[in-house]
Amino acid sequence: DTGVSQDPRHKITKRGQNVTFRCDPISEHNRLYWYRQTLGQGPEFLTYFQNEAQLEKSRLLSDRFSAERPKGSFSTLEIQRTEQGDSAMYLCASGTGAWETQYFGPGTRLLVL
Amino acid sequence: TQLLEQSPQFLSIQEGENLTVYCNSSSVFSSLQWYRQEPGEGPVLLVTVVTGGEVKKLKRLTFQFGDARKDSSLHITAAQPGDTGLYLCAGALETSGSRLTFGEGTQLTVNP
Repeated sequence: DTGVSQDPRHKITKRGQNVTFRCDPISEHNRLYWYRQTLGQGPEFLTYFQNEAQLEKSRLLSDRFSAERPKGSFSTLEIQRTEQGDSAMYLCASGTGAWETQYFGPGTRLLVL
Repeated sequence: TQLLEQSPQFLSIQEGENLTVYCNSSSVFSSLQWYRQEPGEGPVLLVTVVTGGEVKKLKRLTFQFGDARKDSSLHITAAQPGDTGLYLCAGALETSGSRLTFGEGTQLTVNP
């Protein structure tokens, strides 16, 4: 399977803990995106990388959130000191930039207790 | 105010019926995508439209991009239970680079 993969698929944590999610994009895609989706809503943009450079960050990405793509391949999204409001589906997507077509992974569902 | 307004928000129809879902905005998009999402899964790309007035067909699904690139529609002919899912439109604004802006989605249920 050469699609976008995400790990873990589900994460339950207690408020105040740190969590880290991983995304492996489609191998030939140089762009990688993170989105967050809450129940009943469409995904909301968080940040995106072109190769290893983080080119854009949303105002939704508070200073508790950090994303990296150190070698321009996989990416990690870390949330420090989690809050109950962080509970959501975290989606990763990749693309080549052509017409901004983006292919999504299966998502990581986070529940903060 | 939602940048991309989708309607209807919910749609429940019988197998064999036709339906249309709308995606409207006052902003101009350089491209627009339609996705379908199943519960607990990520959105799956159906189509990308890039030219004003463009029409694309994917089996029983017909997608249209408005002439002014501010709106789009998805028409399904002879809906089947397997078409059930959340349909999302998403656009790349001419002014906001690479990020996609999503509508809130249309939850379609096709009853056998």
